[in-house]
Amino acid sequence: DIVMTQSPDSLAVSLGERATINCKSRQSVLYSPNNKNYLAWYQQKPGQPPKVLIYWASTRESGVPDRFSGSGSGTDFTLTINSLQAEDVAVYYCQQYYSTPVTFGGGTKVEIK
Amino acid sequence: QLQLQESGPGLVKPSETLSLTCSVSGGSINSGSHYWGWIRQPPGKGLEWIGSIYYSGSTKSNASLQSRITITADTSKNQFSLMLSSVTATDTAVYYCARGLQDFINQKGWFDPWGQGTLVIVSS
Repeated sequence: DIVMTQSPDSLAVSLGERATINCKSRQSVLYSPNNKNYLAWYQQKPGQPPKVLIYWASTRESGVPDRFSGSGSGTDFTLTINSLQAEDVAVYYCQQYYSTPVTFGGGTKVEIK
Repeated sequence: QLQLQESGPGLVKPSETLSLTCSVSGGSINSGSHYWGWIRQPPGKGLEWIGSIYYSGSTKSNASLQSRITITADTSKNQFSLMLSSVTATDTAVYYCARGLQDFINQKGWFDPWGQGTLVIVSS
């Protein structure tokens, strides 16, 4: 199984500031033939199911605000939330879909400072 | 707009079988380009993929649970179901159903949308 490790476990950011979440996979999730990283990011607000924000490591889902961006390749990935808003308080998860079982990171809780 | 809704008992006794159904509306599980998955989340913890099914009946499941999992689909009812046998307290979790996107042949991809989830407690 591909182990996904997120850091930090939690972070507190002031409104309007940037939040950066890291995700590291134990093995590469880059598929060389199509040069795509098989990684997604989700947002889970309290009492709600996860919602996909980004797939292919950097493709934003339709309707997701452009302050959310994903980057990285291979084994190291980052979700950046620019200009944090109050509604962004949530737990964020990365997920690899390079191989089965698909696996998730442990989550990063984002709060307002 | 595609919607998924989980249903089933909220309390299951240890050693018994957990049974859940996911009802899909606003779209058909016969869609050839998607597959359908189950994911669970123990209280206060992270997400674990349980398994998935394509409408043809082809299934994939997490090896850690494989011997206890049965996933089926009823295209006439536009539903798919999960059975998890020999449950213990460690199976207590919120169980989500979701549509799988991307690689429907190998059932590897991201999930969107998700149902609201149903809490299943394993206790005598």
